[in-house]
Amino acid sequence: DQQVKQNSPSLSVQEGRISILNCDYTNSMFDYFLWYKKYPAEGPTFLISISSIKDKNEDGRFTVFLNKSAKHLSLHIVPSQPGDSAVYFCAASSQTGANNLFFGTGTRLTVIP
Amino acid sequence: DGGITQSPKYLFRKEGQNVTLSCEQNLNHDAMYWYRQDPGQGLRLIYYSQIVNDFQKGDIAEGYSVSREKKESFPLTVTSAQKNPTAFYLCASKIEGGSYNSPLHFGNGTRLTVT
Repeated sequence: DQQVKQNSPSLSVQEGRISILNCDYTNSMFDYFLWYKKYPAEGPTFLISISSIKDKNEDGRFTVFLNKSAKHLSLHIVPSQPGDSAVYFCAASSQTGANNLFFGTGTRLTVIP
Repeated sequence: DGGITQSPKYLFRKEGQNVTLSCEQNLNHDAMYWYRQDPGQGLRLIYYSQIVNDFQKGDIAEGYSVSREKKESFPLTVTSAQKNPTAFYLCASKIEGGSYNSPLHFGNGTRLTVT
């Protein structure tokens, strides 16, 4: 039972353009959402997070948007750079399940120079 | 430099053998976690520990065992009872186990291959 879903396994974007990675969740108890970036043979690196009390959080080129009614969040990367090429994982947690982060299956982003 | 060290990076074992994966952190984090990643799947929680000498099963604990004798260390043993042990194993830590709104910090993983 996949509670966090990333339905696009891959995405290709031209350098300088916007990358939009999407994530859907089913558990309405989730109230904290994170994005991780992962290079091959390395552990995921925390990128950005958002609490359910917000609908947007921005950090440099990265912005996460949260639509609670749709149970949907997205990560925008502007402008995209070749070094952004990696697998991006969406994750979610709740206060009641603080010791488990539920991860999506990941989206492989390729930024074409 | 603080961080999480997992060793070795690659590990090969014969079927039927137990194998222990090492995880050490110098971040002074209370909570530590073991996740497993399989191709095309998200990370799945195996075990976690919020404090020394205490640990809890995650979603896929069968065939695994852990210990938490020191705050810095959280080794994972993959036993012969684990039916599909070949996977990429990730250790993580968090400053405080009960703080749901703080991110996990991950090590670089150990790729275990069992033949």
